[in-house]
Amino acid sequence: IQMTQSPLSLSASVGDRVTITCRASESISSYLHWYQQKPGKAPKLLIYSASSLQSGVPSRFSGSGSRTDFTLTISSLQPEDFATYFCQQSYTLPRTFGGGTKVEIE
Amino acid sequence: QVQLQESGPGVVKPSQTLSLTCTVSGGSISSSGYYWSWIRQHPGKGPEWIGYIYYTGSTHYNPSLKSRVTISVDTTQNQFSLNLSSVTAADTAVYYCAREGTRSSGWSTWGQGTLVTVSS
Repeated sequence: IQMTQSPLSLSASVGDRVTITCRASESISSYLHWYQQKPGKAPKLLIYSASSLQSGVPSRFSGSGSRTDFTLTISSLQPEDFATYFCQQSYTLPRTFGGGTKVEIE
Repeated sequence: QVQLQESGPGVVKPSQTLSLTCTVSGGSISSSGYYWSWIRQHPGKGPEWIGYIYYTGSTHYNPSLKSRVTISVDTTQNQFSLNLSSVTAADTAVYYCAREGTRSSGWSTWGQGTLVTVSS
């Protein structure tokens, strides 16, 4: 299953609302997860099963969607949120990731 | 809290076998319901799942690498390992080990990653 994210990158300011989209090439139900990655670090799980907030993750992060179309929203961008975000499906094997969305400072 | 740590050579010669080990601490690799994965990431790209193993030894591999990959588990040492044969420069990447619970849960636990460079 191919995972396509958009945009590839975006520039935003602190306090902005940011939305990232992930599309699956076929239905994956809600087996969709979102990760944040900072340079030189492993990915960090933010959202699992499309909309469940991982323990310890700030509530400004939220996820929605099902079947083929999913969204990650950051309600009010904070300085520590500048990073690259990946979606990943676990509906079937092989597990696959999107290409990533880099969130940069405007 | 479960922690994962990758170890192995940082440089491998072309055509040789890349071998990495992931040591699990703070929990047992034999805990039921967890799948232990290897994932790699080329610079500037999205991660690529290589495969996973269950503590019983059951494995699943990415078809794109299946002919060259072997993942094994040593429950006595609380470790699992990756062997990738016949490496080329295209296998240069950061390699991570990670733990997956149910397929609804994602990978919540990752190692720090280790850069492996294929070079003569």
